[in-house]
Amino acid sequence: DVKVTQSSRYLVKRTGEKVFLECVQDMDHENMFWYRQDPGLGLRLIYFSYDVKMKEKGDIPEGYSVSREKKERFSLILESASTNQTSMYLCASEPQNSPLHFGNGTRLTVT
Amino acid sequence: AQSVTQLDSQVPVFEEAPVELRCNYSSSVSVYLFWYVQYPNQGLQLLLKYLSGSTLVKGINGFEAEFNKSQTSFHLRKPSVHISDTAEYFCAVRKGSGGSNYKLTFGKGTLLTVNP
Repeated sequence: DVKVTQSSRYLVKRTGEKVFLECVQDMDHENMFWYRQDPGLGLRLIYFSYDVKMKEKGDIPEGYSVSREKKERFSLILESASTNQTSMYLCASEPQNSPLHFGNGTRLTVT
Repeated sequence: AQSVTQLDSQVPVFEEAPVELRCNYSSSVSVYLFWYVQYPNQGLQLLLKYLSGSTLVKGINGFEAEFNKSQTSFHLRKPSVHISDTAEYFCAVRKGSGGSNYKLTFGKGTLLTVNP
């Protein structure tokens, strides 16, 4: 069974802090994604990666960056956290052209 | 650009009643369509998918969906719901493969609440 693991379930950070959200998958999937989920807005794509060191912006990349140095790990970075980045962050992975497998999410609160 | 509209943000039903969750999409090219379910405090899991072939797609937990190209719809149905089906349901669309076609666009979700 595919396992997508997000390192933190809950995270509380202060405004201006640099925040790292980590995601690891154990199935050698090529594609990995970061979404944020907000009530009434559904899931919105922040960034995705289709290979090591390859990345593309999603619909809402502003204020975020990503890193994929190894195939199994995809990190989301908030360079300077702001209160409007308080949200649920979901990581997902997939082999090419197959449905996504999601982690359980990281609920980030920025105070 | 592709987009997904889930017409109902909340659907309350009684146990053992039938349910339909509506989804419409817009895209100028052929698409792949998906329904995901999210139980409380969990990530999303795939219910069913349409890639090609038969327009009636069966998924897990007794759910099915019908792809209607002329109406650009992919409505989710279940003939008899259980309390355990209470969850949020997301419709999603993607174009083909390669480059930015990897992007999966989600609707805003429909909260299904099954009451005893």
